[in-house]
Amino acid sequence: DGGITQSPKYLFRKEGQNVTLSCEQNLNHDAMYWYRQDPGQGLRLIYYSQIVNDFQKGDIAEGYSVSREKKESFPLTVTSAQKNPTAFYLCASRSPQNTEAFFGQGTRLTVV
Amino acid sequence: QQQVKQSPQSLIVQKGGISIINCAYENTAFDYFPWYQQFPGKGPALLIAIRPDVSEKKEGRFTISFNKSAKQFSLHIMDSQPGDSATYFCAVHSPYNNNDMRFGAGTRLTVKP
Repeated sequence: DGGITQSPKYLFRKEGQNVTLSCEQNLNHDAMYWYRQDPGQGLRLIYYSQIVNDFQKGDIAEGYSVSREKKESFPLTVTSAQKNPTAFYLCASRSPQNTEAFFGQGTRLTVV
Repeated sequence: QQQVKQSPQSLIVQKGGISIINCAYENTAFDYFPWYQQFPGKGPALLIAIRPDVSEKKEGRFTISFNKSAKQFSLHIMDSQPGDSATYFCAVHSPYNNNDMRFGAGTRLTVKP
């Protein structure tokens, strides 16, 4: 069953903690993306990666970090420097032919 | 910077009516214009997409109209159904700008029975 898997579905973070959101895909896609979704603001690009060991900052990268050690995996770390991390986070991947993007089911992060 | 402007922010339509959502983009390097549909608590999924070499694409009740000179494209949902109630995002893709994607702010569509 090909697809893109995000985990966990719900995540709670205490103030000052770093947390890592997982994103795995078995679609053999080179490009992977992380978006943040807040009500009324749509999808804002955090980071994207075109290839293993390479990634680029998006529009709201401050307070986040990523790695791309394997083609299948693109984890996102929300650091303590991110002042307002409560949001719905979406991971996506895309084929080399520059067409449809596939999304995971999202991770809802809440600061407690 | 906002590269894609989507309107309206919310839309209420009666069952059987036509839903129209609009998007405007800035960068002419974009070459793929999809619409994604998102249900609450789920990730978006591709609904329909168009390339700039055609002005219209129709798939069932869903149609994209594309105006290259105006840098605008729109989604039309004919015979809207309550099951169409969701959030819709337009997007732009560019193969030249490091292969990134940009999304509009989304339109929450409610179709009343």
